Amino acid sequence: SQQGEEDPQALSIQEGENATMNCSYKTSINNLQWYRQNSGRGLVHLILIRSNEREKHSGRLRVTLDTSKKSSSLLITASRAADTASYFCATAFYDKVIFGPGTSLSVIP
Amino acid sequence: DVKVTQSSRYLVKRTGEKVFLECVQDMDHENMFWYRQDPGLGLRLIYFSYDVKMKEKGDIPEGYSVSREKKERFSLILESASTNQTSMYLCASSLAGGPYEQYFGPGTRLTVT
Repeated sequence: SQQGEEDPQALSIQEGENATMNCSYKTSINNLQWYRQNSGRGLVHLILIRSNEREKHSGRLRVTLDTSKKSSSLLITASRAADTASYFCATAFYDKVIFGPGTSLSVIP
Repeated sequence: DVKVTQSSRYLVKRTGEKVFLECVQDMDHENMFWYRQDPGLGLRLIYFSYDVKMKEKGDIPEGYSVSREKKERFSLILESASTNQTSMYLCASSLAGGPYEQYFGPGTRLTVT
């Protein structure tokens, strides 16, 4: 399966700390996308990294991609209580996008 | 501001009822998707559509059908609802020619009793 698998499944940190989530996948991709989902709501796109890119930044977010290891990481720096949410990686190959089961992040004030 | 709307946030239906879930996007996107989300399973694709009147089965199409008569509207139909279709249903849209990021609606939490 091409599905991404996030690690860890759940993460709890103090406000101000950094949070790192990892995603591993199995087959070829065109790009890898990260999404956030607040409790009971729809997903919000955070960042897309193409297969020929190694690192991308957006505000407090930093995403890396290692296609040789078929893995990606999402780093959220200086976390805030409002970052509490589930985070999903999605592997994309042409029109096929497959979501992983997600990492649940809790940021404690 | 881009927007995907879904007809209901919460819905309760009885077993055997026919259920319609509607999704509308205002971004002129060619692609539209229906997912269901269950705890521990992530999002699973039910159907997607890449153009008006065009549809493709996703990973779990059984028990569902779809309709796309207009570009902005994509409907999911449960022909005869069953309790195992109790779930969160999410609609999304994206540009064609990607893969591009998807824009999601707020979701419909469907309970079948």
